[in-house]
Amino acid sequence: SQQGEEDPQALSIQEGENATMNCSYKTSINNLQWYRQNSGRGLVHLILIRSNEREKHSGRLRVTLDTSKKSSSLLITASRAADTASYFCATGTGFQKLVFGTGTRLLVSP
Amino acid sequence: GAVVSQHPSRVICKSGTSVKIECRSLDFQATTMFWYRQFPKKSLMLMATSNEGSKATYEQGVEKDKFLINHASLTLSTLTVTSAHPEDSSFYICSARFGTSSYNEQFFGPGTRLTVL
Repeated sequence: SQQGEEDPQALSIQEGENATMNCSYKTSINNLQWYRQNSGRGLVHLILIRSNEREKHSGRLRVTLDTSKKSSSLLITASRAADTASYFCATGTGFQKLVFGTGTRLLVSP
Repeated sequence: GAVVSQHPSRVICKSGTSVKIECRSLDFQATTMFWYRQFPKKSLMLMATSNEGSKATYEQGVEKDKFLINHASLTLSTLTVTSAHPEDSSFYICSARFGTSSYNEQFFGPGTRLTVL
C-alpha cells in the first residue's frame, strides 16, 4: 500500500503545549499536504510543502519535510482546545490524486 | 477558500436500494472531482477520480458497477451506490479542484454518512 503512516496514532496534551505529529511515506513525492478533520466532518487544508522545500510556517503551524527519510512533521504550537481534531498528511506524486496517511487523533484538554 | 457541498449529509436506506450522493463546487468550476471513503477512525481511501465529461478512473479494488460516478458538469459530480448492502455503510467524502497542477489544493465537502440497514 502507498498509504503513509502517521505517528502517534493518538496524542493527548494540555492547552498551551506543543503538539508534534509525524508522517512517513513510501514513494517519491511532488508535494506533501496536511489536513485537519473534525469529528464526522470534511477535511480542511492546512498547509502544502513542495518536495524542494524543507520547512514551512503558517500561523501556529510548522511543517518540515525530509525527502531523504521520506518523512514530514507537523508542529502545532501553543495548542488550544479548538485544535482537537484528526490530522492527516497526504502525498501528491505529480499526478492529480492524493494518498492519505493513517492520521493522528489530537485531543487538547483545557 | 472555495466551498464544496455534499447532499445529503446523512442517509439511511434498506439493503438492496440505490443511493445517490451529490457533490457540488459552489463558487468555482472544478476540473476534477474525487470520491473518498472513510471507515470510522480510519484514513480516507480514494475510490475514483472524475473529470467533467469523461469516465471516472477507479482505484484498484473499487467496483465501478457498484459505485457509479457521473461528472455531468464543472460544478456537479454524483456517486450512486447501487444495490447497497450493510458493508457499504461508510462516510463518503468528495473533493474538487480546479486546474491540473499537482500543487492545486483539493477542497473537500463535509461528507455523507451512509447507513445501510
